[in-house]
Amino acid sequence: NAGVTQTPKFQVLKTGQSMTLQCAQDMNHNSMYWYRQDPGMGLRLIYYSASEGTTDKGEVPNGYNVSRLNKREFSLRLESAAPSQTSVYFCASRDPGGFFNEQYFGPGTRLTVT
Amino acid sequence: GQQLNQSPQSMFIQEGEDVSMNCTSSSIFNTWLWYKQDPGEGPVLLIALYKAGELTSNGRLTAQFGITRKDSFLNISASIPSDVGIYFCAGRNSGGSNYKLTFGKGTLLTVNP
Repeated sequence: NAGVTQTPKFQVLKTGQSMTLQCAQDMNHNSMYWYRQDPGMGLRLIYYSASEGTTDKGEVPNGYNVSRLNKREFSLRLESAAPSQTSVYFCASRDPGGFFNEQYFGPGTRLTVT
Repeated sequence: GQQLNQSPQSMFIQEGEDVSMNCTSSSIFNTWLWYKQDPGEGPVLLIALYKAGELTSNGRLTAQFGITRKDSFLNISASIPSDVGIYFCAGRNSGGSNYKLTFGKGTLLTVNP
């Protein structure tokens, strides 16, 4: 049971390049989330997926797209990367029937856009 | 949007000391959560609070859900070096299927052995 996994762990992009951040969970969770973390800003929600087949915007969705590929996987795509998207990106999933019923986080992807 | 004010922003303490940090909100939450983030890792859930006035412990950690539902605090007793990290509060005020959280900006804790 690996929990929430994210790939890649580190990435450097040039302005205008595109890439997809991958997230997968093996806990049979219904809901999945993408956050970005910037110094002194805490975590801000980019997009979330309440269940397979649905996605919704969070607090800071501009410049991003997401795909809930199946129940396990939720990807985040940057179509044309900008320096303002330099950040640490975290994926999370929520256990609908667990003891805490709260969000569990992956280890993060550290993205630098030059 | 909703905002959480978390304080202090950082703390530098000696091993063995007790620590207290808190979060206040401009609006009501019906759930308060406390997470810890170690360097280079994702946040890990420490304590979840679901009722106003609730006081919950997890080992040396104790957290309370404020009566007004607009604040919460976290205490760490007898700190040890592995308590180092960033502590985040998070609040939620909606049920349903989305369970969106609002996070504070974090308290950076440094423990001097």
